[in-house]
Amino acid sequence: DTGVSQDPRHKITKRGQNVTFRCDPISEHNRLYWYRQTLGQGPEFLTYFQNEAQLEKSRLLSDRFSAERPKGSFSTLEIQRTEQGDSAMYLCASSPGTGVFAEAFFGQGTRLTVV
Amino acid sequence: DQQVKQNSPSLSVQEGRISILNCDYTNSMFDYFLWYKKYPAEGPTFLISISSIKDKNEDGRFTVFLNKSAKHLSLHIVPSQPGDSAVYFCAASRGTTSGTYKYIFGTGTRLKVLA
Repeated sequence: DTGVSQDPRHKITKRGQNVTFRCDPISEHNRLYWYRQTLGQGPEFLTYFQNEAQLEKSRLLSDRFSAERPKGSFSTLEIQRTEQGDSAMYLCASSPGTGVFAEAFFGQGTRLTVV
Repeated sequence: DQQVKQNSPSLSVQEGRISILNCDYTNSMFDYFLWYKKYPAEGPTFLISISSIKDKNEDGRFTVFLNKSAKHLSLHIVPSQPGDSAVYFCAASRGTTSGTYKYIFGTGTRLKVLA
């Protein structure tokens, strides 16, 4: 399978714990995005990488959230001191690094439940 | 500030008929528009896109129309099939002006195609 891969698919954690999600983009895709989706809403932009450089972060991304993309390949999203409001589907997407107009391809997401 | 709006949360259409899903946007700087389809517990799947230099793009049963003066786009599905039943999201980006290529999503329209 050469699509975007996310791990784990589901995560249940207790409030206050730290969690880390991993995303493996489509090979050779330079752009990588993290989105969050809650029930009844569309995906909300969290952050965006061009290769290893994090070019933009949403105001939604509080200081408890951090994302990395070392070496411009896979990416991790860490949430520290989780809160119940962090419960959501976390989506990763990637797109080619060339051209202005390019669609993003999404992974199947990581469903986070904070209890 | 919802820059991309899908005002119809749901739509029901008879199999074989046309489905028309609508999307409005407020930012005139958007230059690329996409439609995604999403099944429960999966990530969004790219359907079709259109750049701001065009007013129509067609791919099989799917056609996207863009009316820049009205800041409106629509997705036509003809003929509609039961397998098209899903949530449809429109998204927009302004890569040529912002350089970050992030996508802003609407809240989605749930399409149900009745057999």
